[in-house]
This record gives sequence, structure tokens and C-alpha cells, in this order.
Amino acid sequence: AQRVTQPEKLLSVFKGAPVELKCNYSYSGSPELFWYVQYSRQRLQLLLRHISRESIKGFTADLNKGETSFHLKKPFAQEEDSAMYYCALLSNFGNEKLTFGTGTRLTIIP
Amino acid sequence: ETGVTQSPTHLIKTRGQQVTLRCSSQSGHNTVSWYQQALGQGPQFIFQYYREEENGRGNFPPRFSGLQFPNYSSELNVNALELDDSALYLCASSRDRGNTIYFGEGSWLTVV
Repeated sequence: AQRVTQPEKLLSVFKGAPVELKCNYSYSGSPELFWYVQYSRQRLQLLLRHISRESIKGFTADLNKGETSFHLKKPFAQEEDSAMYYCALLSNFGNEKLTFGTGTRLTIIP
Repeated sequence: ETGVTQSPTHLIKTRGQQVTLRCSSQSGHNTVSWYQQALGQGPQFIFQYYREEENGRGNFPPRFSGLQFPNYSSELNVNALELDDSALYLCASSRDRGNTIYFGEGSWLTVV
């Protein structure tokens, strides 16, 4: 069974400080991982996916298959980064089922 | 491109009733999935439709059913509502496999 774990429900970081949101996964196949973000009063939207290896809004995430992790990082937090962040794993057996973690609420302290 | 739109945005139902939630997928998207998001939890996969056929189902009872129409819009039906069905129901669409999955704003269902 596939599972995504986000150990921190809440994370507060000062503006300008580095941010790391943790994500660990359990999956028997080759994982495809994503970070989704939900800003206040907005819909869930894709932040980044590991296969694109790009940096979005200063965030990066590296897939570590040895540690089964996909942590989200940003070197300098900005106030507009305050949001709910979900790590998700895509099933590649037949359908496109996303398995989400429980989410981390990131608050940037001015 | 038009985004994924869902209706209604909020509704209240009584235990035992039935509810239908609707979703218009993003233009050109042929795959629609439904997710349930309970308070404090991440979204949980209910099922997916691809070109009007069910293409996978999560761990939800048969009273959760769905449809996809020729224009790729979709409905989620829930019969015999229970209090635990109270949640945000999200619709997501994509164009074939491997492309970005877009979410709607969701329908808040409260069962009393």
C-alpha cells in the first residue's frame, strides 16, 4: 500500500530563514511525487513535481529513494509562503490516483 | 483555459438523505477524479473516470457512486448520508496520463 507521511502539522519560520517541510513515502513501485499548496481561500494547486526538477517560487524538492523522502526546501522564507502544503504520491498502476499526506501548515513570522 | 468548476459550493443535508455534487472539468481534460477531504486531513481518493468509464476506486463504500458525461463533466452521488460524510469534496481533472492534475475549489458538505 502506498502512504505519504508529513510529520509536522504546523511549522512556524521567521521571514528570511530557511524552510524545510518534511515528506516521507512508502511505495512499492517507482514513485512520482508532488508538492501541492493551498493558499488562504484558494484552491489546491501544484507547486512542483519531482520529475520536472524545477524551482517554483524559490522552492525545490529532491527525491531521495534511499531515505524515501521528498522534502520541500526554500533558502529564504517570504511572508507570502504562508499556506498549507501537501505532499502527494501518484500511483502508476492503471489510474492516476494521488495519495496525499495530512499536510503541513506553514506560517511565516514577519 | 477555464478551470475546474464545482457546484454547489456549500450544502447541508440530513443523515440518510442523498446528495449529488457536480464538476466541470478543465477544457480538453478527459480524466476526472473525486477526493474527500475531512477536516485536518489530506484529500483521499474516491474514484476516477476516464472517457466515461470508471478507472479506479479508493476505499469508499458503494453508496459513493459517480458518472462522467460525454463532455467530460462529472457527478459524485452519495446515498444514505452519514455524519462522517461531512467533508470538502474535491474534483480534479487532467488531460490523459502524466499531465498536470488541476483541482476545483470543492464542495463543502455538512451532514446533520
